[in-house]
Amino acid sequence: AQKVTQAQTEISVVEKEDVTLDCVYETRDTTYYLFWYKQPPSGELVFLIRRNSFDEQNEISGRYSWNFQKSTSSFNFTITASQVVDSAVYFCALSEPLSMNTGFQKLVFGTGTRLLVSP
Amino acid sequence: DGGITQSPKYLFRKEGQNVTLSCEQNLNHDAMYWYRQDPGQGLRLIYYSQIVNDFQKGDIAEGYSVSREKKESFPLTVTSAQKNPTAFYLCASSIPHTRGTRDTEAFFGQGTRLTVV
Repeated sequence: AQKVTQAQTEISVVEKEDVTLDCVYETRDTTYYLFWYKQPPSGELVFLIRRNSFDEQNEISGRYSWNFQKSTSSFNFTITASQVVDSAVYFCALSEPLSMNTGFQKLVFGTGTRLLVSP
Repeated sequence: DGGITQSPKYLFRKEGQNVTLSCEQNLNHDAMYWYRQDPGQGLRLIYYSQIVNDFQKGDIAEGYSVSREKKESFPLTVTSAQKNPTAFYLCASSIPHTRGTRDTEAFFGQGTRLTVV
């Protein structure tokens, strides 16, 4: 069965520090998607990135970057020059097919990492 | 603006009472999902629906029921059979992952916090 592990329960940093959130996953599927979501105090999950299992290129979006390494089943997320607004819970998730040939997938979530950025 | 609307934001339930959480989307997505979030845990799938008038149990469906009479709506009823209903409930929707399809990530509502009193 699919599994996502986020070993870091909570991380505290001071503004402008870089921080990396770890995500390790387990799956037997050869094709899958990995996701990162941000959950601010308001509760809504905000989509950050989707990565296809065939695309191991690292991605950078502003202060955010993602390192996907299939060999170690990891999909780590780095925030450069963190800001107070980055304070949130971050979830890593792995797709799992709901049924054959429909294309719909459910998300298997890690337990989340709470990031606290202080001024 | 397109999105998912959940209501109410906060809900209090008495012991033995059924309550219904509303979820409406105007994204024209076929699939809708209900997840439950408990403190220190990830989200767990309760029910999902891939098409109108059809829905399937997820990983923790006991004590819950759903309906999908319209594409836009996927209400969740927390029944008295659910022994520990206090949690944060999130509704989501998505389109299928097919070859060449992009933007297939799930979109989430703002959640309903249910408390048993």
